[in-house]
Amino acid sequence: DTAVSQTPKYLVTQMGNDKSIKCEQNLGHDTMYWYKQDSKKFLKIMFSYNNKELIINETVPNRFSPKSPDKAHLNLHINSLELGDSAVYFCASSQATGDYTFGSGTRLTVV
Amino acid sequence: GESVGLHLPTLSVQEGDNSIINCAYSNSASDYFIWYKQESGKGPQFIIDIRSNMDKRQGQRVTVLLNKTVKHLSLQIAATQPGDSAVYFCAEKRKPNDYKLSFGAGTTVTVRA
Repeated sequence: DTAVSQTPKYLVTQMGNDKSIKCEQNLGHDTMYWYKQDSKKFLKIMFSYNNKELIINETVPNRFSPKSPDKAHLNLHINSLELGDSAVYFCASSQATGDYTFGSGTRLTVV
Repeated sequence: GESVGLHLPTLSVQEGDNSIINCAYSNSASDYFIWYKQESGKGPQFIIDIRSNMDKRQGQRVTVLLNKTVKHLSLQIAATQPGDSAVYFCAEKRKPNDYKLSFGAGTTVTVRA
């Protein structure tokens, strides 16, 4: 199936830990994104890569670091996790400036 | 704050009736708008899009209307079904050829049997 795949789907971890979320798309898109959805369902962009180049870097704590090894993959690493990082993180992809295809999300719970 | 917003956070509709979800935006330079549907536990799913050079676009059971004069966007769902229960988001690109998609707050639609 052509899709945007994220792993893991659920992630429960303690404060202070470091964790990573992985994303892969097989749609042949050249641009990938990370969005954070809070408890009120508000979606906010965090980062975007176009052909492995960082093109969007919103006001996000530097504990969050994206990495794109190739245009089909975009990972998100989070250091020193805090309670406020609990949210659902969505990966998405697009072909240039077209519409997005989203993954099914990673629910991160920091305890 | 965000320039994309919705007039109503929730909408309850009888099965079989038509639904109208509204969205306001404030950036007159926005040139591309998309409606997404998010079901519980899933990611947002593309429904329909419209560019600023159009004022109406139709899909299967859905119609998007764009009124640039008052900066208003709406999504109409015909003959609403239980499977239409979800959170609906309008999203915009605020300048031509922009990669960034800015989302509104979302409207939760509940279909009554």
